[in-house]
Amino acid sequence: NAGVTQTPKFQVLKTGQSMTLQCAQDMNHNSMYWYRQDPGMGLRLIYYSASEGTTDKGEVPNGYNVSRLNKREFSLRLESAAPSQTSVYFCASSEALRGAGRRDEQYFGPGTRLTVT
Amino acid sequence: GENVEQHPSTLSVQEGDSAVIKCTYSDSASNYFPWYKQELGKGPQLIIDIRSNVGEKKDQRIAVTLNKTAKHFSLHITETQPEDSAVYFCAARSYSGGGADGLTFGKGTHLIIQP
Repeated sequence: NAGVTQTPKFQVLKTGQSMTLQCAQDMNHNSMYWYRQDPGMGLRLIYYSASEGTTDKGEVPNGYNVSRLNKREFSLRLESAAPSQTSVYFCASSEALRGAGRRDEQYFGPGTRLTVT
Repeated sequence: GENVEQHPSTLSVQEGDSAVIKCTYSDSASNYFPWYKQELGKGPQLIIDIRSNVGEKKDQRIAVTLNKTAKHFSLHITETQPEDSAVYFCAARSYSGGGADGLTFGKGTHLIIQP
């Protein structure tokens, strides 16, 4: 099991350029998440997907879009990158079943370090 | 929404001593509280978690305590070792009933183990 994988590991963009961050998990988890981490700010939730076919906004969704391509993959798109989006982006997944036997644990990928100049 | 405060931001302890990191949360509906360890250049790794129907949980040298009335929870590491040096994050989650929900994180504690 690779767990949660993210590509690319590093990326430099110019202001206004677009790109998609890719995330995949091989744990058959239902839910997936995108967070950003800035110095001194902890991690903040951008978007999440409770199950295949559904997505919801988190704390800081502005400037981002997401796609839950299938159960394994959840991508994050920056349509017009801005310097304020310079950050480290983490994808996570959890089993997150409803009711009894719910599995809450979130497992994180290694991150994508994005710089927007 | 939920707000999580974490203290201290930096903690330096002698190898072999204990370390305690404290967090408070604001939403009384929160009922899941994980702790993550993050090493330089890596993603956060879950080390222990606790649910609101439990007051304390231990796993070898690591323990977490939860006080629901006061809305605070703490991470305790005993007999610290050099490999415990890392940034530690607490988090809380409130279930909205709409499915899975993301975590609200504290800002992190840089734990330094002095030899």
